Amino acid sequence: ETGVTQSPTHLIKTRGQQVTLRCSSQSGHNTVSWYQQALGQGPQFIFQYYREEENGRGNFPPRFSGLQFPNYSSELNVNALELDDSALYLCASSQGVASGELFFGEGSRLTVL
Amino acid sequence: DAKTTQPNSMESNEEEPVHLPCNHSTISGTDYIHWYRQLPSQGPEYVIHGLTSNVNNRMASLAIAEDRKSSTLILHRATLRDAAVYYCILRDVGGSQGNLIFGKGTKLSVKP
Repeated sequence: ETGVTQSPTHLIKTRGQQVTLRCSSQSGHNTVSWYQQALGQGPQFIFQYYREEENGRGNFPPRFSGLQFPNYSSELNVNALELDDSALYLCASSQGVASGELFFGEGSRLTVL
Repeated sequence: DAKTTQPNSMESNEEEPVHLPCNHSTISGTDYIHWYRQLPSQGPEYVIHGLTSNVNNRMASLAIAEDRKSSTLILHRATLRDAAVYYCILRDVGGSQGNLIFGKGTKLSVKP
């Protein structure tokens, strides 16, 4: 059983650019959530996808968007990057939207210059 | 989701028990209490969760006060690998599992 994998692990972008982060969910999991974690802070919920549809969103602007594919993998897209978008982006998967446990990947570290 | 309050940091000695407190005085009857931990340079890791009764698993025990306004995560014998930030989170039973509200957590240091 493979865990949650994320790519890339690190990347550097400049302000105004766009970025796509990818996540493969744990085998058998149909729900993916994305979180943003700034340095020294706890993770903040961005949104959740269940069976290819957005199923809940946190307080993030529309330039943060996502997709979930039929194999339940997911992408997080961020347009018009700002310096404050520099953070660790975490993906988590679960079986169903109300299961008791989220499984997190190790994250993608984004630096915006 | 209701808020939780945790100490910013705690220290423990290796092989001794650790009791990590969490206050959640505004908890509602349908809020589960979840604990996650985050080791350095890793994503958060599920530890345990419960609703009303105390819970045990291979990693830890969760003791929930009778009025549910506080809980304690118990690591029975701390190891160096337990050094992490521990998050206490409330989640409504009817809410989306994916939407966990993390605070700043408690940074646990374990001394050899």
